[in-house]
Amino acid sequence: AQRVTQPEKLLSVFKGAPVELKCNYSYSGSPELFWYVQYSRQRLQLLLRHISRESIKGFTADLNKGETSFHLKKPFAQEEDSAMYYCALSGGYGGSQGNLIFGKGTKLSVKP
Amino acid sequence: DTGVSQDPRHKITKRGQNVTFRCDPISEHNRLYWYRQTLGQGPEFLTYFQNEAQLEKSRLLSDRFSAERPKGSFSTLEIQRTEQGDSAMYLCASSFLLAGVGNEQFFGPGTRLTVL
Repeated sequence: AQRVTQPEKLLSVFKGAPVELKCNYSYSGSPELFWYVQYSRQRLQLLLRHISRESIKGFTADLNKGETSFHLKKPFAQEEDSAMYYCALSGGYGGSQGNLIFGKGTKLSVKP
Repeated sequence: DTGVSQDPRHKITKRGQNVTFRCDPISEHNRLYWYRQTLGQGPEFLTYFQNEAQLEKSRLLSDRFSAERPKGSFSTLEIQRTEQGDSAMYLCASSFLLAGVGNEQFFGPGTRLTVL
């Protein structure tokens, strides 16, 4: 079964501390993995995707096919990083399959 | 183009009534998706269109739900005989698929449905 698991509902860190939001997936083929973010009172927006291999707002995520994980990391958290983070998976090459499968989300709270 | 828009933003209805939501995608986007999100959950896929064609429907989409995208532009999602369990945020997203690659979906603000 296709599934995305985010084990932490809430992650609370202090400003300047490292952050790691965990994501594990279950998919039989070669999926494309994404991190979406939703800031307070804003719409869901793409943060990064594994095929881009970019660092966005200081966040990075590496796809580990052996561990079927796509953890999101940032070395020094900022208060403006506080938001809801969703890991998502799309099947097919380049995400061509269509729909996204989302995890339940992790709420990141960065304290001053 | 200000992105994906949805109308209405909020809808309160009584059980048994029919409701219809509209989604206007980003122009030139050939794919349009509907998701449902309930409290404490991530968005769950309902259905998607490529141009006018409805390519996939989730098992979540019971026969009370119907979606259309008549001219390959805007889409409507109708729920007939609403039930309290239909209360949720309904999200629309659009994307541009070219040569089978690329699936960045841009989301709308959602329509929050409350069924009393």
